[in-house]
Amino acid sequence: KQEVTQIPAALSVPEGENLVLNCSFTDSAIYNLQWFRQDPGKGLTSLLLIQSSQREQTSGRLNASLDKSSGRSTLYIAASQPGDSATYLCAVERRGNEKLTFGTGTRLTIIP
Amino acid sequence: DADVTQTPRNRITKTGKRIMLECSQTKGHDRMYWYRQDPGLGLRLIYYSFDVKDINKGEISDGYSVSRQAQAKFSLSLESAIPNQTALYFCATSVISGGSGELFFGEGSRLTVL
Repeated sequence: KQEVTQIPAALSVPEGENLVLNCSFTDSAIYNLQWFRQDPGKGLTSLLLIQSSQREQTSGRLNASLDKSSGRSTLYIAASQPGDSATYLCAVERRGNEKLTFGTGTRLTIIP
Repeated sequence: DADVTQTPRNRITKTGKRIMLECSQTKGHDRMYWYRQDPGLGLRLIYYSFDVKDINKGEISDGYSVSRQAQAKFSLSLESAIPNQTALYFCATSVISGGSGELFFGEGSRLTVL
């Protein structure tokens, strides 16, 4: 059974700093990995999707990397802003499963 | 207007009542999903449907049923609600094979069972 872990559960950093969020998974036979953002009381918004054949994806100040062999992904946020405060979740789609397994998320707070 | 719309957004009900949560989408996607989110447990899949004639159980389907009335509509029912079904429920859609697999979520339906 695929398990997805995100540590730490919460993180606070001063505005302007670069930061890294971590995601680890137990089964490397994945089809893709997605990073989502969730604002309080809202749904999830897809940020980046990395296919299993890719090593990284970039969108603006966000960069996500994938290392299947070690079962790890990181989400790098450059020059953090207060508007980046949210919960960030990762999810993996296992090959042959066609369903996502979610981590429990990291709640990020950017301090002005 | 949102691409994935859930109704109601909030609902308080009593134990034993029947509840239906509705989801409609304008994205034209074939795949639709129902998840529930609980603090500390993340999102867990309840049911999913890959097209109108395809319904599949997820990891926590007991106590729930679904109906795919059309490509754009997927409803979740709790036949007899119980307090541990209090949660935030999300509908999601994605493109079937050939697409990116990216999920698009509704805003959520917060259900409280007293």
